[in-house]
Amino acid sequence: DTGVSQNPRHKITKRGQNVTFRCDPISEHNRLYWYRQTLGQGPEFLTYFQNEAQLEKSRLLSDRFSAERPKGSFSTLEIQRTEQGDSAMYLCASSSSSPNYGYTFGSGTRLTVV
Amino acid sequence: EDQVTQSPEALRLQEGESSSLNCSYTVSGLRGLFWYRQDPGKGPEFLFTLYSAGEEKEKERLKATLTKKESFLHITAPKPEDSATYLCAVQASGGSNYKLTFGKGTLLTVNP
Repeated sequence: DTGVSQNPRHKITKRGQNVTFRCDPISEHNRLYWYRQTLGQGPEFLTYFQNEAQLEKSRLLSDRFSAERPKGSFSTLEIQRTEQGDSAMYLCASSSSSPNYGYTFGSGTRLTVV
Repeated sequence: EDQVTQSPEALRLQEGESSSLNCSYTVSGLRGLFWYRQDPGKGPEFLFTLYSAGEEKEKERLKATLTKKESFLHITAPKPEDSATYLCAVQASGGSNYKLTFGKGTLLTVNP
């Protein structure tokens, strides 16, 4: 197992376009999280999946954002009609539900909206 | 609302010069306090979890300690490869107990 994998690593898009990111968690982890990080800030929680169920969405996640985790495996995060303020690093993390509270993060997808 | 404040924002050390990073937190009930290391352009790398006041954990030149209001990350005789941003995060007990609330981090630079 190579850890949490995120693709693409970098994405440059024009304002108004739609983008989709993919996250492949550690295979035995049933919990998956998306965070967003801007320059000079710590990661901010966006959403959480337990298996295929999306159990919480942050108020940061506007209606333009949607996340899925079909069959409780990989996850996708889609941003519709991108805005310049969406430019950030999008981080995916996974964990098990047993007493291991150390999330494993992926390397992130850097989104730049021009 | 859970809050995490890290200080200093940036710290520059000479190789071998020991120091400490601070993480002050406010949380309704603490389930765990986490330290992560983040290199430029990469995701955070897990270092430690602390669960209760008085607990200490060590890894190589790093030692993390926890009180009821703050945590310290002590760096003993740092090397240039310890240069990174160090992030502190809390996990609250209760409802959203899976969510981590992060501080802004401390950018550590160790000069040879």
